[in-house]
Amino acid sequence: DAKTTQPTSMDCAEGRAANLPCNHSTISGNEYVYWYRQIHSQGPQYIIHGLKNNETNEMASLIITEDRKSSTLILPHATLRDTAVYYCIVRVGYGQNFVFGPGTRLSVLP
Amino acid sequence: GAGVSQSPSNKVTEKGKDVELRCDPISGHTALYWYRQSLGQGLEFLIYFQGNSAPDKSGLPSDRFSAERTGGSVSTLTIQRTQQEDSAVYLCASSLGPRTIYSYEQYFGPGTRLTVT
Repeated sequence: DAKTTQPTSMDCAEGRAANLPCNHSTISGNEYVYWYRQIHSQGPQYIIHGLKNNETNEMASLIITEDRKSSTLILPHATLRDTAVYYCIVRVGYGQNFVFGPGTRLSVLP
Repeated sequence: GAGVSQSPSNKVTEKGKDVELRCDPISGHTALYWYRQSLGQGLEFLIYFQGNSAPDKSGLPSDRFSAERTGGSVSTLTIQRTQQEDSAVYLCASSLGPRTIYSYEQYFGPGTRLTVT
C-alpha cells in the first residue's frame, strides 16, 4: 500500500492561499490521491481527488506532480473555518478502505 | 439530501456491557465502512460492507467486535464485553459501490462517541 507523508502542522494567514504538501513516492499507477479534512469533533469531509491531472472544485485545487510522487492541496483564500486536520490519502489498490495517516493540522490565523 | 446519520451520538457504558452502534448510510450508497478514532489519533479502519456482505473485516480488533448490515442499508456495529480501550469515536461512511471503483469518495457521519467507564 502506498504511504503518504505530510507535515505535522502548518499555519496560514486568513485570506492567503494555504498550500498543503503530501509525498506519496510509492504510489502505483491506478491509485488516486484523495484529500479529506476533519474539523474538530466532526466526521471527515471529502475535499477533492485526482489521478494524474490537476483538479479544481469549489473547495480547493489539487496539483499532482508529473511523476505522481507528490501533490499539493491549495485552499486559495483560507478562512478561519478552514482550520482543521487535512489528510492526504492514496487509495489502497483494489481494496475499499481508506488508510488515514496523522494528517496536517492547519491553523488559519486572523 | 440527507447525509450519513449515526446513533446514538454519545454512549456511556460500564466495562463488560455490550453496546450497539447504528449507521444509516446515504440512500443508494451500496458501500458502507466503519472506522474508529481514539482521542487525538487518526482514523482506524474496522470493516467494509458491499451490500449486505463484508468482504473486508481485517480491521476488527478482536472477536468482541462484529457488524452486520441488512437490506443493503442500515448497519449495526456491536461491541461485546466492552473494555476501557474501546473508548473512541466510531465513524461510519458510505459511498457508491464498485461500479465506480476507481474514483469515488466516502461521506462520513458525525460519529458516535463511546465512553467505557
